[in-house]
Amino acid sequence: QSALTQPRSVSGSPGQSVTISCTGTSSDVGDYNYVSWYQQHPGQAPKLMIYDVTKRPSGVPDRFSGSKSGNTASLTISGLLAEDEADYYCCSYAGTYTFPHHKIFGGGTTLTVL
Amino acid sequence: QLQLQESGPGLVKPSETLSLTCTVSGGAISNSFYYWGWIRQPPGKGLEWIGIIYYSGATHYNPSLKSRVTISVDTSNNQFSLNVTSVTATDTAMYYCARRCRSSSGCFDYWGQGTLVAVSS
Repeated sequence: QSALTQPRSVSGSPGQSVTISCTGTSSDVGDYNYVSWYQQHPGQAPKLMIYDVTKRPSGVPDRFSGSKSGNTASLTISGLLAEDEADYYCCSYAGTYTFPHHKIFGGGTTLTVL
Repeated sequence: QLQLQESGPGLVKPSETLSLTCTVSGGAISNSFYYWGWIRQPPGKGLEWIGIIYYSGATHYNPSLKSRVTISVDTSNNQFSLNVTSVTATDTAMYYCARRCRSSSGCFDYWGQGTLVAVSS
């Protein structure tokens, strides 16, 4: 399966909201509510921000929210802070009968806080 | 607090086998709620799911890597390992080990800091 499609970059000013899209197919994003989002600062490991499309792990600010419509999932960050500047990756369950646990990632989106 | 730490050679020759170990501390790898996994990231590129393992030894691999990848577990030492055979330059990447979430989505909630492996003669 191909990687999920994300915009290469998005930007916003402090206090604004930005939305990052993640487009897959009816075999992955569209077929399961199993999309997660990761934040990665330079030189660091990814950090889980959203799972099961809309759920936030403990400690993740409620400025981060997730949604899905059809084959496209979205991550919205409201009230942008300078510390939100990072790369963001979506990930979806893409399991099949032969490979029931397979996951695929998006290519990543660089968020710039202006 | 759960911690994961990757270890292994930072340089591997083409056609040889890449071997990495992930040591888990602050929690038991034999916890029945969790799988443990490997993810990699080539320099300047995106993430790639390699595979996961359960403490019983059950494994699931990325179809595109399945022929060259083996993940194993050592519950007595609270470790799990990754072997990638017949490596080429395209296997050069930061390799992360991680714990899979309890959620059915299979997300990863705890990650190691990563270890960079270069494939070069």
